[in-house]
Amino acid sequence: GAVVSQHPSRVICKSGTSVKIECRSLDFQATTMFWYRQFPKQSLMLMATSNEGSKATYEQGVEKDKFLINHASLTLSTLTVTSAHPEDSSFYICSAQRTSGYNEQFFGPGTRLTVL
Amino acid sequence: QKEVEQNSGPLSVPEGAIASLNCTYSDRGSQSFFWYRQYSGKSPELIMSIYSNGDKEDGRFTAQLNKASQYVSLLIRDSQPSDSATYLCAVNTGNQFYFGTGTSLTVIP
Repeated sequence: GAVVSQHPSRVICKSGTSVKIECRSLDFQATTMFWYRQFPKQSLMLMATSNEGSKATYEQGVEKDKFLINHASLTLSTLTVTSAHPEDSSFYICSAQRTSGYNEQFFGPGTRLTVL
Repeated sequence: QKEVEQNSGPLSVPEGAIASLNCTYSDRGSQSFFWYRQYSGKSPELIMSIYSNGDKEDGRFTAQLNKASQYVSLLIRDSQPSDSATYLCAVNTGNQFYFGTGTSLTVIP
């Protein structure tokens, strides 16, 4: 159990376009989901915390108008990178927190975004 | 002071040896502790959870928790080259979840 899916796994887009990434908890409900970004050989960087039915909480320095997060249900959160630019190219990873256990976070497989 | 601190390494051990990874945390109220493994280019994978003082064993992995010292460790017995990865320590404190920056482990054949 505790499987988190993420789609798409890889996306290449032109500068200025928007990209939507979906994160789903497949076999448990997740009141809270998290979005991370990771550059090569660097640590995970928390971008925002997504709570079902409420607005996301963004970390300092993360533009909420650029990285739109929607947590529409207990199993789905989406991240939309609006007007993507080459500097947004990164590995985006979501995680879902299982509240029925000990609040473990389970990660999706990640989405590698390349903006040309 | 960071919430969770790990030695970044790199840590190198020969195949078959015991790898010891350490982590300290700052908040005495922390309740749950986790170890994640992250292979290069992949997302983190939860490998151990521990909530009570003492040892917890799962196969070749043993997690150790000492709340008085605010210290959690991960031992990997009979290390294999496939264990080469970055290991992330994570701590849950109330509604907050904190990750260390990870320790890079290389197991040399």
